[in-house]
Amino acid sequence: GDSVTQMEGPVTLSEEAFLTINCTYTATGYPSLFWYVQYPGEGLQLLLKATKADDKGSNKGFEATYRKETTSFHLEKGSVQVSDSAVYFCALSAANTGNQFYFGTGTSLTVIP
Amino acid sequence: KAGVTQTPRYLIKTRGQQVTLSCSPISGHRSVSWYQQTPGQGLQFLFEYFSETQRNKGNFPGRFSGRQFSNSRSEMNVSTLELGDSALYLCASSLDATLNYGYTFGSGTRLTVV
Repeated sequence: GDSVTQMEGPVTLSEEAFLTINCTYTATGYPSLFWYVQYPGEGLQLLLKATKADDKGSNKGFEATYRKETTSFHLEKGSVQVSDSAVYFCALSAANTGNQFYFGTGTSLTVIP
Repeated sequence: KAGVTQTPRYLIKTRGQQVTLSCSPISGHRSVSWYQQTPGQGLQFLFEYFSETQRNKGNFPGRFSGRQFSNSRSEMNVSTLELGDSALYLCASSLDATLNYGYTFGSGTRLTVV
C-alpha cells in the first residue's frame, strides 16, 4: 500500500546551518506530496506542496522537489532559525488512497542559537 | 478568514465514559477528516466526510464514530473510553474532494482518559 518513510529524528542544528530532512514514498498512483509543520501545542500547518513530478514547492525559505525517479520529496532550508524549531511531517495523498493522507512519523528539529 | 475550529481544546474523562468532539471547518470546505495523534503511533486516520457522507474509515474499533452535518460541521464520538484513547484528536478540512490541495488542520482536542 501507499506509505511515507521519513528521516528519524531528533535533529539538532545551530542557527544558520543547512537543513535536510529526507522523505521517500511508496505509491501505486501519482500522489501529491506535502510537508506539514507542527509547533508545540498546535495542529499541523501546511508548509509546502507539489502535485506532480519535478514540481518544486517552496515557502518561508523551505524547498522540496518532487522526484519521481527516486520517489523522494526531501525538505531543505539554507539557513535555519531558532523559530524553525518544530516537528516536520511528510505526507502524500493520491486518488487511490481512499480520501486520506499518509503521514510520515515526523522529524523533530531543534535549532540552537 | 476563520480557520478550522475544534472544541473543546482539552478534555479529561474517566474510563468507560463517552465523549463528543466538535469541528467547524473553514467556510466553503466540504471535506472534513479526523486523525488521532499519539507519541507512539503518530498520525492515524480515523475517517473522512464529504457532503455528509463518510467516504473512508481508518482501522479503528466501532467505538469511534463520526458524522457531518449539512453545514459541514463535524463531530466525532468515542464510547466506552479506554486509557489508550488518550491522544490529540485533529480535525482537518479541505476545499475539494480530491484532497490534492492539502488539509487545513485545527489546533486539536487533547483528550486524557483517567
